[in-house]
Amino acid sequence: QAVVTQEPSLTVSPGGTVTLTCASITGAVTSAYYPNWFQQKPGQAPRPLIYSTNNKYSWTPARFSGSLLGGKAALTLSDVQPEDEADYYCLLYFGGAQVFGGGTKVTVL
Amino acid sequence: EVQLVESGGGLAQSGGSLRLSCMVSGFTFSQYSMNWVRQAPGKGLEWVSYISSSGDTIYYADSVRGRFTISRDNAKNLLFLHMSSLTVDDAGVYYCARDRRVDEPFESWGQGTLVTVSS
Repeated sequence: QAVVTQEPSLTVSPGGTVTLTCASITGAVTSAYYPNWFQQKPGQAPRPLIYSTNNKYSWTPARFSGSLLGGKAALTLSDVQPEDEADYYCLLYFGGAQVFGGGTKVTVL
Repeated sequence: EVQLVESGGGLAQSGGSLRLSCMVSGFTFSQYSMNWVRQAPGKGLEWVSYISSSGDTIYYADSVRGRFTISRDNAKNLLFLHMSSLTVDDAGVYYCARDRRVDEPFESWGQGTLVTVSS
């Protein structure tokens, strides 16, 4: 099945901004792949953050935003807070199969 | 309140079988497609299988096709995953997750059930 790639790790300072990306080896990521983003903290189930490229849930912090950037899906965390330290996973839809990226560990330091 | 509660995890022998269940409440189960997602220890998330609301459309990840079977009982609000020919690579936490729409998958998750496979 298709491979979806993310940065393995990123470090950001409190109050800073960081952008996570999600690429497909099959080519450019478009809205047709319905990019989704999930946050997971240790010992917890994943929590959805963004669906269908840039749509937020009621619980999604306003400082989080999704987009398409240079043929990839992107998740931008602005004004990063210590509680944003977590693993972040993107998800792409391949017509029946869902494929997660390998995840990005975001460290707030 | 939407709730998904997995059960059935435990220790299985390599080559053995296990059946996972996911009991749901707080919503009309028969109106939603469902999935199983797993996570090996210290690793990332892996989608395992999908079943449509009526059960007539099913998909599997290549890694489990032919060994795992997803099913549902809409009258009892239950989702199942029957796993056979287990290998050590199947070990991990298994989550059930609800789709709200095709572009809004895994919108609600259970807390997971742990599967351990001994060689």
